Amino acid sequence: QKEVEQDPGPLSVPEGAIVSLNCTYSNSAFQYFMWYRQYSRKGPELLMYTYSSGNKEDGRFTAQVDKSSKYISLFIRDSQPSDSATYLCALFSGYSTLTFGKGTMLLVSP
Amino acid sequence: DAGVTQSPTHLIKTRGQQVTLRCSPKSGHDTVSWYQQALGQGPQFIFQYYEEEERQRGNFPDRFSGHQFPNYSSELNVNALLLGDSALYLCASSPRQVGEKLFFGSGTQLSVL
Repeated sequence: QKEVEQDPGPLSVPEGAIVSLNCTYSNSAFQYFMWYRQYSRKGPELLMYTYSSGNKEDGRFTAQVDKSSKYISLFIRDSQPSDSATYLCALFSGYSTLTFGKGTMLLVSP
Repeated sequence: DAGVTQSPTHLIKTRGQQVTLRCSPKSGHDTVSWYQQALGQGPQFIFQYYEEEERQRGNFPDRFSGHQFPNYSSELNVNALLLGDSALYLCASSPRQVGEKLFFGSGTQLSVL
């Protein structure tokens, strides 16, 4: 079993839809949870960062962490074509370095 | 404020050759990490440099080596290139050795023919 599982997609939605992106993990040592957005031919950029179970909201984005289920989610409200990108979950134990999921490609059509 | 800069942006090499990739960290950052991202995959950690020393290393062979300079910039060297080394190589910087909030450059796309 891989440390971090993420459905690669692609996930296609119409503009304005609510998008749900998810990752599961197996190592309970992970304490910090991040979502990165990566546009084509660009490096990943940090979108959301959280370290506790529950929800964290930033504009149209909500990160949700359930440590008991080892499940993290990113919700995007009112999705826009400019949200079309690959979304990577990244987990950190505090002792090593980031462990990334494979990334989910999101396509938002006008 | 310049972010993380990497050079070159694209590179084409043949099997067996050697390559050097360069990275300048974000201003105020002293730690540089290198990642390899194959097509359709998430970034895989290669190694991290802090205070001019390799501090952590991922599961990559010794063909992959690096260096950090006193100004915190860094190089990634890959010897005896294989076709499987074709990937996007990402440099990330952070303000301290153990940093989870990494800032990434745009990467160097390496193609090995």
